[in-house]
Amino acid sequence: GQQVMQIPQYQHVQEGEDFTTYCNSSTTLSNIQWYKQRPGGHPVFLIQLVKSGEVKKQKRLTFQFGEAKKNSSLHITATQTTDVGTYFCAGYSNTGNQFYFGTGTSLTVIP
Amino acid sequence: ETGVTQSPTHLIKTRGQQVTLRCSSQSGHNTVSWYQQALGQGPQFIFQYYREEENGRGNFPPRFSGLQFPNYSSELNVNALELDDSALYLCASSVDRAQPQHFGDGTRLSIL
Repeated sequence: GQQVMQIPQYQHVQEGEDFTTYCNSSTTLSNIQWYKQRPGGHPVFLIQLVKSGEVKKQKRLTFQFGEAKKNSSLHITATQTTDVGTYFCAGYSNTGNQFYFGTGTSLTVIP
Repeated sequence: ETGVTQSPTHLIKTRGQQVTLRCSSQSGHNTVSWYQQALGQGPQFIFQYYREEENGRGNFPPRFSGLQFPNYSSELNVNALELDDSALYLCASSVDRAQPQHFGDGTRLSIL
């Protein structure tokens, strides 16, 4: 069945270092969304990418959607302690009309 | 605008029982999706309702069923509860089927 994998599963960085998480789908997606979930919290929407090759920026965060619409990445520049949490990608597939969440990357920022 | 609210917050049931979880979507959001999130895992899509009709379904058995009402509320029903059903159940509302989702705080379901 369809799968969305994320790597790495865990990442520990020193405050100020950069961070990247990668999201890979086994099939083409109609869009990709990124969410952040803090421990004990619920996923919070960050951004949506729709077009092939699309790149969007939010302050220190850069999101990219692959040309084949099967992969995506989230890059954080100069991490801060407020960036701590688990980052999930979620792709929507028109085949079956459902969302597929990635396995998540847990980010720890060491002050 | 009001957010997405879920009830109850926590629930304890025993194997074989039935449970109903409730969600109140944001006003104007005609789509609601339900997810199961096990500890340390990503949310797993159960199903999605759009304008009160089931629009898509994940790999969950028929004992997971749902309803969406015209007043932006919805329900997730689970029959014949199993130990593996212990998880956080999240609902998420959106303005349309593939659009950004706004999640509630979830219901933590424990099966004994």
